[in-house]
Amino acid sequence: SQQGEEDPQALSIQEGENATMNCSYKTSINNLQWYRQNSGRGLVHLILIRSNEREKHSGRLRVTLDTSKKSSSLLITASRAADTASYFCATDKLTGYSTLTFGKGTMLLVSP
Amino acid sequence: NAGVMQNPRHLVRRRGQEARLRCSPMKGHSHVYWYRQLPEEGLKFMVYLQKENIIDESGMPKERFSAEFPKEGPSILRIQQVVRGDSAAYFCASSPSGENTGELFFGEGSRLTVL
Repeated sequence: SQQGEEDPQALSIQEGENATMNCSYKTSINNLQWYRQNSGRGLVHLILIRSNEREKHSGRLRVTLDTSKKSSSLLITASRAADTASYFCATDKLTGYSTLTFGKGTMLLVSP
Repeated sequence: NAGVMQNPRHLVRRRGQEARLRCSPMKGHSHVYWYRQLPEEGLKFMVYLQKENIIDESGMPKERFSAEFPKEGPSILRIQQVVRGDSAAYFCASSPSGENTGELFFGEGSRLTVL
């Protein structure tokens, strides 16, 4: 079964609004990462949060991590049309290798 | 400042043919990962390699799929006797080390279509 599961599957908002995406996972992790994928392109790393961190910011991005609930959220503030993409959370194994497990993603559409 | 380079970007094969996908990691990276993405799906881990070694192939199908990362040259994912179900985007990623302490750097993917 999927280690990471994002919801919602799809999100449609207007420019300037905030977008929140959630991710749940099943097993213990060292860190959780969020990636972005534009249509037909590769994945681009957005932010990494370690298991001993609760919140992290990067520009218009805010990520939270609740290890007791095994969940994370990604907030994009003041969204722009250029933020339109699919967003994936990825979790690692505790084996020590960077073999990330990805969820199915949230497809975000930001309309001008 | 080349990133992860994958080729070909698009590949069309008929059932039963072989597909070879190549990946050159970022400069200074010695760890390579292959992922497969089906339409509307997330990425599924296939295999993790270091130079000349397969470290974790737990996501690789047992038959027809193989991967290598030779001392010289790119990493290659090889699919023999392709079937329609192999149609997908195959992404390669690299990292400077194998420790789960940081991000993976992805290529643009190779999109395989099996007719």
